[in-house]
Amino acid sequence: ELKVEQNPLFLSMQEGKNYTIYCNYSTTSDRLYWYRQDPGKSLESLFVLLSNGAVKQEGRLMASLDTKARLSTLHITAAVHDLSATYFCAAQGGSEKLVFGKGMKLTVNP
Amino acid sequence: NAGVTQTPKFQVLKTGQSMTLQCAQDMNHNSMYWYRQDPGMGLRLIYYSASEGTTDKGEVPNGYNVSRLNKREFSLRLESAAPSQTSVYFCASRGGHSYNEQFFGPGTRLTVL
Repeated sequence: ELKVEQNPLFLSMQEGKNYTIYCNYSTTSDRLYWYRQDPGKSLESLFVLLSNGAVKQEGRLMASLDTKARLSTLHITAAVHDLSATYFCAAQGGSEKLVFGKGMKLTVNP
Repeated sequence: NAGVTQTPKFQVLKTGQSMTLQCAQDMNHNSMYWYRQDPGMGLRLIYYSASEGTTDKGEVPNGYNVSRLNKREFSLRLESAAPSQTSVYFCASRGGHSYNEQFFGPGTRLTVL
């Protein structure tokens, strides 16, 4: 059974700082998704990682996938307040189903 | 395109009442999903439909039924609501290849008293 773990689950950081968050999954999956959720809102797709070694960047966020280590990372560069949100990773378990991590709540302080 | 729409946005039920959550998408997607989101639990799949006419159980199907009415619409029914079903419910859809991401609706916040 596929399980997805994120850590940390809560992160408070200062503007301008860098940080990496981690997403581990328990069984083979070569597709990993990152989503963002603002408070009271829906989920917005950030990245789709489809193969080992995949790296994608959007603004201050960069995501990567290591399928051999069953690990995806989301790196934050020079954080700004607008990045405050909850970030979910999800791995594909079977052809149709995504299994989500519990989410990481990020707060970026001035 | 409206994307994925859900109704209602908010609902309060008493224990034992029934209701149907509606979901529709206008992206011509084959696959549709129902999730529930609870604090600290992430999103958990309730049911999904890989194509019109098919439905399958997800991780937490007990207490729910679904209907894939047509390609656009996928409804979730609570026959006899329980306080444990208090949650935020999200519908999602996905089209094209199996590696495409899922697109989520705005959610329904349900409280069962």
